[in-house]
Amino acid sequence: IAGITQAPTSQILAAGRRMTLRCTQDMRHNAMYWYRQDLGLGLRLIHYSNTAGTTGKGEVPDGYSVSRANTDDFPLTLASAVPSQTSVYFCASSISGASYNEQFFGPGTRLTVL
Amino acid sequence: AQKITQTQPGMFVQEKEAVTLDCTYDTSDPSYGLFWYKQPSSGEMIFLIYQGSYDQQNATEGRYSLNFQKARKSANLVISASQLGDSAMYFCAMREVSSGYSTLTFGKGTMLLVSP
Repeated sequence: IAGITQAPTSQILAAGRRMTLRCTQDMRHNAMYWYRQDLGLGLRLIHYSNTAGTTGKGEVPDGYSVSRANTDDFPLTLASAVPSQTSVYFCASSISGASYNEQFFGPGTRLTVL
Repeated sequence: AQKITQTQPGMFVQEKEAVTLDCTYDTSDPSYGLFWYKQPSSGEMIFLIYQGSYDQQNATEGRYSLNFQKARKSANLVISASQLGDSAMYFCAMREVSSGYSTLTFGKGTMLLVSP
């Protein structure tokens, strides 16, 4: 079944540790995104990529990095996790960056940083 | 200033009744798209409906319709004949095409509870 997969489903992490959240899509979408969802704040964009080889910063990029080596994968790395990065992380993709293209979301990763 | 404002933290409706979820937006882009997503308690984000800034007619998708009032910058979601399965968090989002990229900005959401 086509779609977006994220791994892990959930993770408890000690502060200061490095963590990579994985995201893979098989829809050959050009654009991919990472959001975090916090209670009362909705979803906020962390980083995005319009096409393989390019990335950009969203609203809340500090403490996170991404890479886009190919079309399908868009990993999100926390170099040194802090408790404020406790959140639910969603990866999404769309055919392109055109305004009418809906974004398809993965199931999310629940991350707790202690 | 917030780009997407959802003023109703929570809404209650009885089964089979219609309900309107409010959304106002702020943008200077002439071209933009407005989306509504549903997030049930299971957590996944489900796309419901899309309205383009140049679309002449209000978007409809089954029981969902979007009341688009461009001059007032509002894009309210109307759910007709509510069902128990409509109980969920609903997010309004806007896509602006600027600086060569296009990203979604989300509102803070409205929790809808449908009672029997």
